[in-house]
Amino acid sequence: DTGVSQNPRHKITKRGQNVTFRCDPISEHNRLYWYRQTLGQGPEFLTYFQNEAQLEKSRLLSDRFSAERPKGSFSTLEIQRTEQGDSAMYLCASGARDRGGTEAFFGQGTRLTVV
Amino acid sequence: GNSVTQMEGPVTLSEEAFLTINCTYTATGYPSLFWYVQYPGEGLQLLLKATKADDKGSNKGFEATYRKETTSFHLEKGSVQVSDSAVYFCALSLMQGGGNKLTFGTGTQLKVEL
Repeated sequence: DTGVSQNPRHKITKRGQNVTFRCDPISEHNRLYWYRQTLGQGPEFLTYFQNEAQLEKSRLLSDRFSAERPKGSFSTLEIQRTEQGDSAMYLCASGARDRGGTEAFFGQGTRLTVV
Repeated sequence: GNSVTQMEGPVTLSEEAFLTINCTYTATGYPSLFWYVQYPGEGLQLLLKATKADDKGSNKGFEATYRKETTSFHLEKGSVQVSDSAVYFCALSLMQGGGNKLTFGTGTQLKVEL
């Protein structure tokens, strides 16, 4: 399967713990996006990488959140000192540079539950 | 800022009925427009897209036309099937800062019954 892969699919953690999610994009894609989706809402943009450079971060990405994409391949999203409000589906998407209307391919997401 | 507004669901239809899901947008420039679909237990999949005014995107019997004058991108299908039951998201993207981040609507759940 050459789609976007996210691990783990589900994560339950206690409030205050740190968690890390991984995203493996489609190999030829240089762009990688993280989104967060809560129940009944559409995905909300968190951050964007072009190759290894993090070019944009949303105001939603508090200081407790950090994302990396070393070597421009896979990416990790870490949440420190988790709070119940962090419970959501975290989606990763990848895409290739285009003139516009670039299609983003999404992974199946990591569902985080903070108890 | 940029935003997308979709009609609220759930929308319940009988098989072979006509489907319309309304979508309007607000954008600071000239966005590209998308419909994504999320089937139960699966990730988001691109259904169709349009990159400029009057373009029509189509796929799997679904269509949507980019209407700049009404800032709309309504999704239509002439005859729905039970297998079309899913959540549908309208989205836009703008070329900003080198990226094409997507701004999504809240989604519309479609239920198709026999």
